[in-house]
Amino acid sequence: ETGVTQTPRHLVMGMTNKKSLKCEQHLGHNAMYWYKQSAKKPLELMFVYSLEERVENNSVPSRFSPECPNSSHLFLHLHTLQPEDSALYLCASSQDSEGFREQYFGPGTRLTVT
Amino acid sequence: AQSVTQPDIHITVSEGASLELRCNYSYGATPYLFWYVQSPGQGLQLLLKYFSGDTLVQGIKGFEAEFKRSQSSFNLRKPSVHWSDAAEYFCAVGSTGNQFYFGTGTSLTVIP
Repeated sequence: ETGVTQTPRHLVMGMTNKKSLKCEQHLGHNAMYWYKQSAKKPLELMFVYSLEERVENNSVPSRFSPECPNSSHLFLHLHTLQPEDSALYLCASSQDSEGFREQYFGPGTRLTVT
Repeated sequence: AQSVTQPDIHITVSEGASLELRCNYSYGATPYLFWYVQSPGQGLQLLLKYFSGDTLVQGIKGFEAEFKRSQSSFNLRKPSVHWSDAAEYFCAVGSTGNQFYFGTGTSLTVIP
């Protein structure tokens, strides 16, 4: 049990759908992250939130829209995705967003775009 | 640009044998270095980390890693592998400015 939960664990959606991924951390952390994990590629950091403010957006297409309503919850809103967006989406949290902090990861949401 | 390279995509070792997973990084300043492990269907779990000080760091599950600045390496080692160590291993670099870079991972298979 890492203290970071993600729902749903699996999601299949069409290219015209709108869906949301949810992440919740129970660790009292102040920073939260979204990563994309594709086969044979490094984990890609998508977004970083610190104290509910977005501090990094690594050139992610606008069809991915993050939301952090409080320090315990993080959402990733999805719309008009492409098949190449199929991947495992991992959420993580840490005490703060400093580069030396250990990150705690959730189990991920396996997304398939048809 | 910062990057992390894990040259070995897949490694197979016998149970009880020693293990070394390679990691090379490219980073201008002193890096913050991490090794994470990912079991099937689970998120990543931290094995160990290096920030400064002693270049040989100990982690959980009997793993250790050595930071070698001259070689820009941070290789992970374990003297005797157990079947439960079969998993995907990721090396990562953290930097100032809220950036984190991961390698492509090394998949470890342990044979009886």
